[in-house]
Amino acid sequence: GAGVSQTPSNKVTEKGKYVELRCDPISGHTALYWYRQSLGQGPEFLIYFQGTGAADDSGLPNDRFFAVRPEGSVSTLKIQRTERGDSAVYLCASSARTSGNTGELFFGEGSRLTVL
Amino acid sequence: RKEVEQDPGPFNVPEGATVAFNCTYSNSASQSFFWYRQDCRKEPKLLMSVYSSGNEDGRFTAQLNRASQYISLLIRDSKLSDSATYLCVVNTGSSASKIIFGSGTRLSIRP
Repeated sequence: GAGVSQTPSNKVTEKGKYVELRCDPISGHTALYWYRQSLGQGPEFLIYFQGTGAADDSGLPNDRFFAVRPEGSVSTLKIQRTERGDSAVYLCASSARTSGNTGELFFGEGSRLTVL
Repeated sequence: RKEVEQDPGPFNVPEGATVAFNCTYSNSASQSFFWYRQDCRKEPKLLMSVYSSGNEDGRFTAQLNRASQYISLLIRDSKLSDSATYLCVVNTGSSASKIIFGSGTRLSIRP
């Protein structure tokens, strides 16, 4: 389909392991966002890309979290030394707007991460 | 203080009722505002943008009060299908940048 695609849809890992979550945005969308959502909470901002560069990474909780978007399309969120508190749904969204009003965010279905 | 605050609810109202949600934001430089809807175990989807003059889309009315940094959503003649979580969303920058979601207000419509 033409929507935002996230893989894997579910990931179960052990504490201390490394995890990569992938996001394939809508073709042509220059803005890409990562959020994480815990049960009963709203999406928590992690990082925003405009093109290849991280325009705002102020939401990344600590240095175990890192995200890249090397060619301005697909993005990977990387989590090192996972902890049980990292368990959440990680949502990716893309948008066509680059300035002014942000326009609509289109979300993927999310990657559910469970750290045992 | 959270950047975007909402009453978490839950609101449980009968079909046909009118219900209103409120939201406040802390950054006075915020430029654009939205309401998103999220169904259980689904991704958020845009419900409507919120304009300074207020705007209406069918049974839904959104209002913005910049002086009080307050946003509202009114749903008239509520339907069973309106049951969902409603997320208040604020763009805290002057361009496409940091977009912050509130924690959401749960709405349940009963027959």
